[in-house]
Amino acid sequence: QVQLQESGPGLVKPSGTLSLTCAVSGVSISNSYWWSWVRQPPGKGLEWIGEVYYTGSTNYNPSLKSRVTISVDTSKNQFSLKVTSVTAADTAVYYCARQGYSYGSGFDSWGQGTLVTVSS
Amino acid sequence: DIQLTQSPSFLSASVGDRVTVTCRASQGISSFLAWYQQEPGKAPKLLISAASTLPTGVPSRFSGSGSGTEFTLTISSLQPEDFATFYCQQLNSYPFTFGGGTKVEIK
Repeated sequence: QVQLQESGPGLVKPSGTLSLTCAVSGVSISNSYWWSWVRQPPGKGLEWIGEVYYTGSTNYNPSLKSRVTISVDTSKNQFSLKVTSVTAADTAVYYCARQGYSYGSGFDSWGQGTLVTVSS
Repeated sequence: DIQLTQSPSFLSASVGDRVTVTCRASQGISSFLAWYQQEPGKAPKLLISAASTLPTGVPSRFSGSGSGTEFTLTISSLQPEDFATFYCQQLNSYPFTFGGGTKVEIK
């Protein structure tokens, strides 16, 4: 059974860098899945941030692309998110998720989410 | 970006009711649509993939239909554990986008 667990600082200062890691267990991250980050501001809807494949290939949401880097570490079976130049608008619960195997599949496994607050 | 418009945004219903939520896409997305259920304080849970496929473990009272630009999620008989917020998501093209959500509350 696949499990995903986010970790990282819960508080980031404005203009700083948000860094999160998603540890994957129960399946090799090198299997043929895409791994995504999704965020949800308090009381609001879901926003897809981007995704990474085990080869390091990535796709990003253009709304965040200039500030976001998603990377993968197959040796540790984890992937990571960095968001630079953060503002209060980046305050959100951040989820990591796995897209299902078939093309166009939904996200079938999610982490529990971690709240990141941007504040001085 | 493909915009997804869910309706209604809020729905009040009773246990046992049949409930339908609609998701309209701003352009055709074939059948690359997923539905999620999110309870307060929890991560979304995949209910339906590829517009109409139920993942293993999802109760059969949930069903999905549609293709192109119009999709529906139906709950045949609402159960107490179904009171939550439901989101659609398109996976046809980047960036993946979500609908605004439909909150289902107890009448």
